[in-house]
Amino acid sequence: DAKTTQPNSMESNEEEPVHLPCNHSTISGTDYIHWYRQLPSQGPEYVIHGLTSNVNNRMASLAIAEDRKSSTLILHRATLRDAAVYYCILRPYSGGGADGLTFGKGTHLIIQP
Amino acid sequence: ETGVTQTPRHLVMGMTNKKSLKCEQHLGHNAMYWYKQSAKKPLELMFVYNFKEQTENNSVPSRFSPECPNSSHLFLHLHTLQPEDSALYLCASSQDSSRANEKLFFGSGTQLSVL
Repeated sequence: DAKTTQPNSMESNEEEPVHLPCNHSTISGTDYIHWYRQLPSQGPEYVIHGLTSNVNNRMASLAIAEDRKSSTLILHRATLRDAAVYYCILRPYSGGGADGLTFGKGTHLIIQP
Repeated sequence: ETGVTQTPRHLVMGMTNKKSLKCEQHLGHNAMYWYKQSAKKPLELMFVYNFKEQTENNSVPSRFSPECPNSSHLFLHLHTLQPEDSALYLCASSQDSSRANEKLFFGSGTQLSVL
């Protein structure tokens, strides 16, 4: 499976935008880019996903580089409730089935009040 | 509330015990997953069921035995576990595990301690 690289941790201030980077230089043409987050003592929660175009939803925006070798998750106005571990995951469609998500270590996002 | 319910939330068992973890989803999904999350380690995919058929077994030791009687229920049967099996066990569901562009919904997990 193609690998992703994320910073171990990032810190931001409340009510400011947060840009979480992810590098995936070995991405293939059929890999979807998924983002999940895990709040303390909870299971992971879906945030957003995309293939080639930038995506927006009520939680966040996903900006995908033109060559698809990197992406950025954007939280437009961080709150204390956004403090979590954020995972950038590539989900390949191999033709024989995608099966489960493979999680890495993610980025621990700290929000300062 | 994600629509995926796991019971029990906490479980303590001895190495000679037999116990089962239960997962139930109320989302009408066809795929269910077991993940293991050990302290300070990434989540590890254990098993995948799609339309009640097991499609992935990620080299999990035989002391973990999954069961998927229908698309809404998933069990993980545990026997003769080791202390290193202590971890958070997470269940997830999705519409169809063969689709790469779909979302997974996770439960809150069962925190297992093996003494």
